[in-house]
Amino acid sequence: EAGVAQSPRYKIIEKRQSVAFWCNPISGHATLYWYQQILGQGPKLLIQFQNNGVVDDSQLPKDRFSAERLKGVDSTLKIQPAKLEDSAVYLCASSLSSGRDRTQYFGPGTRLLVL
Amino acid sequence: AQSVSQHNHHVILSEAASLELGCNYSYGGTVNLFWYVQYPGQHLQLLLKYFSGDPLVKGIKGFEAEFIKSKFSFNLRKPSVQWSDTAEYFCVIIVTNAGKSTFGDGTTLTVKP
Repeated sequence: EAGVAQSPRYKIIEKRQSVAFWCNPISGHATLYWYQQILGQGPKLLIQFQNNGVVDDSQLPKDRFSAERLKGVDSTLKIQPAKLEDSAVYLCASSLSSGRDRTQYFGPGTRLLVL
Repeated sequence: AQSVSQHNHHVILSEAASLELGCNYSYGGTVNLFWYVQYPGQHLQLLLKYFSGDPLVKGIKGFEAEFIKSKFSFNLRKPSVQWSDTAEYFCVIIVTNAGKSTFGDGTTLTVKP
């Protein structure tokens, strides 16, 4: 079974530029999560989708971050414009949305450096 | 709102020592509980999980955890650690009905050979 795919793996940009990350979840997983992991901290949930609807985006900085999952499968996360403090690893995870087992499966992440 | 607290930020042990990492959560409803591990340079991997049944769960690499509902705790244990267990460990809860996920801040484990 293929895992969660993310691209790119690394990205270096200058502040005020824009950047986009892509995630393809495990087939059949209706729930998709985006996390931000700053060095030395635990992952912070940015947004959670169920199919193509947003379940929780309470911690997403909406003035600069946006995310979509138009067809309920893969998803993109965008930052525009980027700030220095956005330097982090952006993780995507997916899980089933029914039943009691909500195990999340994580992709390798995209490491972003903002200069 | 739910929250997860991991008591130890950094633990240093010698090989063969026993390990216990604390995790407490706050949420009044039904949750799934997880421990994930992140080895240096690698992505998050599932160590073990609990969502129903026997509160003592066994995971990979000799790890186990016990869910104590009355204490809102899900501590991770291993009787004898190895150098290869050096990693960061995260306790995670997911609210069952909404699927909302919260991570603890993580515990860095360093095992000295």
